[in-house]
Order: sequence, then C-alpha cells, then structure tokens
Amino acid sequence: KAGVTQTPRYLIKTRGQQVTLSCSPISGHRSVSWYQQTPGQGLQFLFEYFSETQRNKGNFPGRFSGRQFSNSRSEMNVSTLELGDSALYLCASTLQPSTDTQYFGPGTRLTVL
Amino acid sequence: SQQGEEDPQALSIQEGENATMNCSYKTSINNLQWYRQNSGRGLVHLILIRSNEREKHSGRLRVTLDTSKKSSSLLITASRAADTASYFCATEGAGANSKLTFGKGITLSVRP
Repeated sequence: KAGVTQTPRYLIKTRGQQVTLSCSPISGHRSVSWYQQTPGQGLQFLFEYFSETQRNKGNFPGRFSGRQFSNSRSEMNVSTLELGDSALYLCASTLQPSTDTQYFGPGTRLTVL
Repeated sequence: SQQGEEDPQALSIQEGENATMNCSYKTSINNLQWYRQNSGRGLVHLILIRSNEREKHSGRLRVTLDTSKKSSSLLITASRAADTASYFCATEGAGANSKLTFGKGITLSVRP
C-alpha cells in the first residue's frame, strides 16, 4: 500500500499570500489530521476530518481552514500568510477517527518571506 | 498547549548503550504513543501503550506507563547510529472526540 502523500513538498510564499496544501491518505483510511511543526512550538494539532466533516479543531486562527473530499483526500488552506506560519505541515491518516496509530506523510515545508 | 513533556530534551550516547527517554503528562489519557522523526521528515509510529497497560515491548523498544505518576518511559536497548532521531511522546486524552497531543520531543544522538 502506498503511504500518505503530501504535495507540494516545499513551498515559498510571501506575506499576505494564501496557500493550499494537499494530503492523500493511505488507501482505505477515512480520517485525516493536520499538524503544524515549528522549532519553538513543536507539533501543534490543526484539525481532523472524517467523512468530509471536521471532527476536531485546534487553537489556530480562522486563517487556517481545511476540507476533505469524498475520496478522503484533504486540503488545508492558509490565507493572509504571516512570517510565523513558516513551518513543516504534516498530515496523518487513520482508518477511523480514533488516534490509535497515525500514519504520517513526509510533510510540506512552507517558508513565508 | 503541550500535554506531554519529554525529558531530557537532548541525549547523546555511544552505540551499543541503552537510551532512556521520559514523558510526563497532565490529564487522564486513553493511551500514550511514541513516535520517531528523522531530520524534519514525517513521524513514524513506534509503539502504543494503553492506560490499562504497564509495560510493552517491541523489538529493542520497551515502554512503561505509570498512570499514578502520569509518566512514561521509552527504553531503546543496544542503540545503533540509525536510532539517531527526534522522539516524541503523544497522548490521547480520555474523553469523546479526543485528539493526539504531542510533546516537544527529545533529540537522540547515537555516536558510532
């Protein structure tokens, strides 16, 4: 089975722009979670989607949004980018919305200039 | 806010030695998991221990959980240079719609 894939792997944007990141879960997995990883804050939970519905949300401003499609692929969007949004964005998939074992993708490295 | 806090923040050992990493958490949990991350890449799940378990083994890994002290430890025996990575503990809170909360990680360096 193919693992979790994320595109793009690297992205450079400037302040004020918006960005969309994509995550394709492992085949058959219906739950996708997103995390932001920075050196200062570590891994912070963004949101979780299951069956196209947001099941859980972390403490991030409304500039961060996401969605999930009927094939379980997920996208997250960050609008009006700030320098502090520079981070590694990781998505993880599981079969069901339990947190037993999460399978992570390689991440998207976003740099905001 | 971080639920799990790992200790130490960094650990450097010689190949062949054992590495012990600790994690403490604040609230009741369903399970505690350990993940490894190599140099800014995705995380890899290592082992999960449920709140009603006290010890689990997987290959060279041994995890213990003490719910009365709200702490866990990960032991890697006979370490190898390839074990060099960051290690994270993550806790699933007890309750509906709980999410996985990660600590800030421990950087392990294994010297050949």
